[in-house]
Amino acid sequence: QVHLVESGGGVVQPGGSLRLSCAASAFNFAGHGMHWVRQAPGKGLDWVGLIRYDGTETYYGDSVRGRFTISRDNSRNTLFLQMNGLGVDDTAVYYCTKYDGTLRAFDIWGKGTLVTVSS
Amino acid sequence: QSALTQPPSASGSPGQSVTISCTGISGDVGVYNYVSWYQQHPGKAPKLIIYDNTKRPSGVPDRFSASKSGNTASLTVSGLQAEDETDYYCASYIATNNWVSWVFGGGTRLTVL
Repeated sequence: QVHLVESGGGVVQPGGSLRLSCAASAFNFAGHGMHWVRQAPGKGLDWVGLIRYDGTETYYGDSVRGRFTISRDNSRNTLFLQMNGLGVDDTAVYYCTKYDGTLRAFDIWGKGTLVTVSS
Repeated sequence: QSALTQPPSASGSPGQSVTISCTGISGDVGVYNYVSWYQQHPGKAPKLIIYDNTKRPSGVPDRFSASKSGNTASLTVSGLQAEDETDYYCASYIATNNWVSWVFGGGTRLTVL
């Protein structure tokens, strides 16, 4: 069964850094673009960014550009999100999601990992 | 990028139909035919229920349907059931000169009365 499992969340102080991982299984990871989407407590979904299937291009949302970096290791079927300069507004559940180019939608989601930025 | 606009809430009685709108600006919902809809139960990950404006993935009941006209997309839930009571989000792709991004609607909480 297709799976995405995020890890690496936790509590971090303002200004700190954190690296999230997303392990993929049971699908051709190297053939799909991957995205990160976050959701602050009680709020809606917020697109964080994407990485092309081969890692050659990345794009970011306005609120994280310059602070967050998305990367991937196709040999390990793993997606990463490096988060620097964290602020309280970055507190959220972070989801990785598979983009299906045929459906033109996010068809598989992980269960998410919670990042809490607090002093 | 601005979020797509959804009504914060919608409601209907069991068996009735309810429609949720998703309004964007030219350049996202209006120009690109990539609107998708997601259902999210509390504490759970979002689930894809509509893609490519109007299409349902396998396994999604045909009570869920969608349309798009101009810069407004709509999700209709027919024959409302108690299990439909949850949050719904639209999403669209945006491509400008040298940038690519996606944007979500603010979400609609559907209540089954």
